[in-house]
Amino acid sequence: GAVVSQHPSRVICKSGTSVKIECRSLDFQATTMFWYRQFPKQSLMLMATSNEGSKATYEQGVEKDKFLINHASLTLSTLTVTSAHPEDSSFYICSAPDRGSNQPQHFGDGTRLSIL
Amino acid sequence: GESVGLHLPTLSVQEGDNSIINCAYSNSASDYFIWYKQESGKGPQFIIDIRSNMDKRQGQRVTVLLNKTVKHLSLQIAATQPGDSAVYFCAEERGNTPLVFGKGTRLSVIA
Repeated sequence: GAVVSQHPSRVICKSGTSVKIECRSLDFQATTMFWYRQFPKQSLMLMATSNEGSKATYEQGVEKDKFLINHASLTLSTLTVTSAHPEDSSFYICSAPDRGSNQPQHFGDGTRLSIL
Repeated sequence: GESVGLHLPTLSVQEGDNSIINCAYSNSASDYFIWYKQESGKGPQFIIDIRSNMDKRQGQRVTVLLNKTVKHLSLQIAATQPGDSAVYFCAEERGNTPLVFGKGTRLSVIA
């Protein structure tokens, strides 16, 4: 079964809307979570590292005021796309390392964001 | 498969044949490598991993080969099945830094 739950799976909204995406670790605690963005036919690009109890670390070129990350508990990180525009339409995926697992990271099933 | 521009390279194989998917990595300091399978509309799914102190690792129907000299990684899938159709990504890790994903290869299995 899924060990990282991502919600919602799909969002369609108007330009200018802010959208929140949740990433939850199930049955394990995650002090760190990662947010990726994937455009069609491309690879996953790391956007930011979410750290529980402290500020997120953003990759070069990713606007921290545009993509707000909150990691308020050991099982939940949220990504808010503020004032979304059509160019923000993408597939957003979160992951969480689980050192007690034989896998390096568990991935959510992604959120398809479509901005009209 | 080598990546060209923004288009995913595609590998087409007949059902039952073996598949070989290739990946070139860039950082000689990377010490951990993973292959992921991604089906349409889903997140990556772990297939197999290998550490840099090994050159081969086998799983169920899959084998990963690592050639550190030329910084090359390959995934071999034996007796490819229609359910293996997906996009495959290699990923590399350097110490505790986040995973870096390769460009991906689409595998199409012809029944």
